[in-house]
Amino acid sequence: RKEVEQDPGPFNVPEGATVAFNCTYSNSASQSFFWYRQDCRKEPKLLMSVYSSGNEDGRFTAQLNRASQYISLLIRDSKLSDSATYLCVVNTRGSTLGRLYFGRGTQLTVWP
Amino acid sequence: EPEVTQTPSHQVTQMGQEVILRCVPISNHLYFYWYRQILGQKVEFLVSFYNNEISEKSEIFDDQFSVERPDGSNFTLKIRSTKLEDSAMYFCASSDRGNTIYFGEGSWLTVV
Repeated sequence: RKEVEQDPGPFNVPEGATVAFNCTYSNSASQSFFWYRQDCRKEPKLLMSVYSSGNEDGRFTAQLNRASQYISLLIRDSKLSDSATYLCVVNTRGSTLGRLYFGRGTQLTVWP
Repeated sequence: EPEVTQTPSHQVTQMGQEVILRCVPISNHLYFYWYRQILGQKVEFLVSFYNNEISEKSEIFDDQFSVERPDGSNFTLKIRSTKLEDSAMYFCASSDRGNTIYFGEGSWLTVV
């Protein structure tokens, strides 16, 4: 069973474009939700947590739909530096908070 | 910014050999983790460690794996008898009270 599923992409967009990534999770007991970014052969880095009411951090907006078990990330005004793999990550109630389930990631390339 | 440091950054070992991967978590953190990522695949949880004992482990973390916190700063992952399929990037991570997880840059293990 795949805990977290993402469209692998790749997404290739020009600078300034708006791009959206989607993710679904299988375990309804999932408690915490995150988007991480991973550059090639580097460690995952937390981009933002995702809250039920939705949240925004600059050009990044995350949404959570618990009923549909669906998480999204919207990037506005894409920059070249946004090129990376975006990982959808969940934590399940009953687990230690550090046991995170990662999706395989969605690859984004922003071109000039 | 405080960071998790890992050594070695890259190790090549022969099948059947023992490997020890070392990590220095962020100094005031209490929760420690190991994750791995096989090339091209998702990041997978191995084990979490709190209060000098394993708090959770995944099905990947079998008897050939062990973790230790030998002193107040280091956190190690030992693989007793490496297999080809152990080739992966191993990420150490730490957190304060299980909230935001900070990952080290990883140790790339190649088993030949």
